Amino acid sequence: KAGVTQTPRYLIKTRGQQVTLSCSPISGHRSVSWYQQTPGQGLQFLFEYFSETQRNKGNFPGRFSGRQFSNSRSEMNVSTLELGDSALYLCASSSRTSGVLPSTDTQYFGPGTRLTVL
Amino acid sequence: GENVEQHPSTLSVQEGDSAVIKCTYSDSASNYFPWYKQELGKRPQLIIDIRSNVGEKKDQRIAVTLNKTAKHFSLHITETQPEDSAVYFCAASIPEYGNKLVFGAGTILRVKS
Repeated sequence: KAGVTQTPRYLIKTRGQQVTLSCSPISGHRSVSWYQQTPGQGLQFLFEYFSETQRNKGNFPGRFSGRQFSNSRSEMNVSTLELGDSALYLCASSSRTSGVLPSTDTQYFGPGTRLTVL
Repeated sequence: GENVEQHPSTLSVQEGDSAVIKCTYSDSASNYFPWYKQELGKRPQLIIDIRSNVGEKKDQRIAVTLNKTAKHFSLHITETQPEDSAVYFCAASIPEYGNKLVFGAGTILRVKS
């Protein structure tokens, strides 16, 4: 099976702009989670989507949003970019077969999108 | 909320020696503990995971141990090789929060040949 893919791989934006990042999960995987990775804060959970519904959300401002499509592909959007949003944005997919909690699935990461905000 | 501490932040070993990385977690409700390896410029790669109903798990040169009472878990790499050099992250999750992983700060492992 093909792994998790993310596009674009690199992105340069200026403050105040908005950006949309895309993630295609492993075929058959229905859960997609997003993480932000920075040298200072490490890996931090943004949100998780399953069957087009947001299941969990991390402690990020409302400028960070996401969605999931019927084919399980997911996008995340950051509006009004700030310098501190520069980071590697990673998505991870898992083969969650049911939306019923509680459980944690094995997650596989994509290569990430490197966002630089100038 | 959950907090995960990881030690040491850097670890240098000689090729062939063993390496041990330790993590502690704060919430006793955590029941899933994966370890990821991230090479420079690459994605985090799952190397092993353990659930709280198991005390130890092995996969060739890699093993993970879990002490639920003390709320800590450790990664053990035996017979280290230069290709083991990377950043290693531990993580923990609480089942009611689904796939939300809380990560440790990472350990830079250098294997000297």
